[in-house]
Amino acid sequence: ILNVEQSPQSLHVQEGDSTNFTCSFPSSNFYALHWYRWETAKSPEALFVMTLNGDEKKKGRISATLNTKEGYSYLYIKGSQPEDSATYLCAFLRYNFNKFYFGSGTKLNVKP
Amino acid sequence: KAGVTQTPRYLIKTRGQQVTLSCSPISGHRSVSWYQQTPGQGLQFLFEYFSETQRNKGNFPGRFSGRQFSNSRSEMNVSTLELGDSALYLCASRGGGGYQETQYFGPGTRLLVL
Repeated sequence: ILNVEQSPQSLHVQEGDSTNFTCSFPSSNFYALHWYRWETAKSPEALFVMTLNGDEKKKGRISATLNTKEGYSYLYIKGSQPEDSATYLCAFLRYNFNKFYFGSGTKLNVKP
Repeated sequence: KAGVTQTPRYLIKTRGQQVTLSCSPISGHRSVSWYQQTPGQGLQFLFEYFSETQRNKGNFPGRFSGRQFSNSRSEMNVSTLELGDSALYLCASRGGGGYQETQYFGPGTRLLVL
């Protein structure tokens, strides 16, 4: 069984706070890691596709880093806004396995 | 460009019945994957179709099957429904089918089995 773990499970922050969460995955045979944002009653929306050790990606106030050797990725949100409230999912793809393994997500709630 | 669409959005069935769900990918996308989400579980991979062929399969019983048509639209079928099949079923499409490509998800079909 391949485990992809996300922590924390949930997070409550105040508007303006910066926050980060973790996705841990097996460090062997890495192929790709995807991050998604899933707002209630909407479809999961792709944030980043990360493929290389040391990758850093940024989209507005959200950024992500990748460490394939130790098997983790961090997602950072700078200056959280209420509209950032969502569940953030990571999905790991192992080389030659050709299917995504999703973590159970981090549910972020940003209070105004 | 229209996004991924799924029909129906909601469905109520009884145990023992069968159900067919439909997914229309983004125009030009050839890969369609299906996922199941149940309460307390992350998204579980069901299967992936690429150019009308099942390319990958998750660890689900044979009651779960699918197919893809020449226009890339895909259907998922669940036979002999069980209470535990109640879930949100999502499909996602990718353009060329490469795993480093972005996946685009549909809104899902919420299935309730009574």
